[in-house]
Amino acid sequence: SYVLTQPPSVSVAPGQTARITCGGNNFRSESVHWYQQRPGQAPVLVVYDDHDRPSGIPERFSGSNSGNTATLTITWVEAGDEADYYCQVWDISSDHPSVVFGGGTKLTVL
Amino acid sequence: QVQLVQSGAEVKKPGASVKVSCRAFGYDFTTYGISWVRQAPGQGLEWMGWISPYSGNTKYGQKFRGRVTMITDTSTTTAYMEVRSLRSDDTAVYYCARTPNVELVTDDCFDIWGQGTMVTVSS
Repeated sequence: SYVLTQPPSVSVAPGQTARITCGGNNFRSESVHWYQQRPGQAPVLVVYDDHDRPSGIPERFSGSNSGNTATLTITWVEAGDEADYYCQVWDISSDHPSVVFGGGTKLTVL
Repeated sequence: QVQLVQSGAEVKKPGASVKVSCRAFGYDFTTYGISWVRQAPGQGLEWMGWISPYSGNTKYGQKFRGRVTMITDTSTTTAYMEVRSLRSDDTAVYYCARTPNVELVTDDCFDIWGQGTMVTVSS
């Protein structure tokens, strides 16, 4: 089955840049989406289709996709960005498409 | 305001069933899909399946086929997800989430999420 690999944790100081990676088999034909989940809350979409931002999401959040690795970049990190971040794709390798989430990355703001 | 509002927490015994509801507000219910995602305590997100409120078409994750049923009621703009034969490892927060396309598009994101429903399975 399809596996998305994320680092368990990333730590950055306020004002610095956080980069969270998501490794897969081949992203070239798939869209990667990213979600932020603060403690005790539901996930929130922060980047979709590799690099687009929903309305209301700050420009500090951006995404990229290099083929085997997708990256969520958060510039000028704030204390409020501390959360778990998940990447997501669709696995279309079988007759039964399904959604796959990465294991999640805990962003700690030092 | 576009939102999905879910039913309250449930406590069930092993072997029982649970039905979680998800009511949509602020948009045309029949022009977007609904997926269900669960999260066990301290764990990551797990997709369970998807339903089109327009056609009733469904797609279930392999792990849940035969034990989970998803339906919608367009008259009340509500989606329902039932899990049968509950086990202790079904203890989780269950989320409904909206997909931008009403029929299955294998590139879709989840742009709006419900607040979650905690289901506890314990004897």
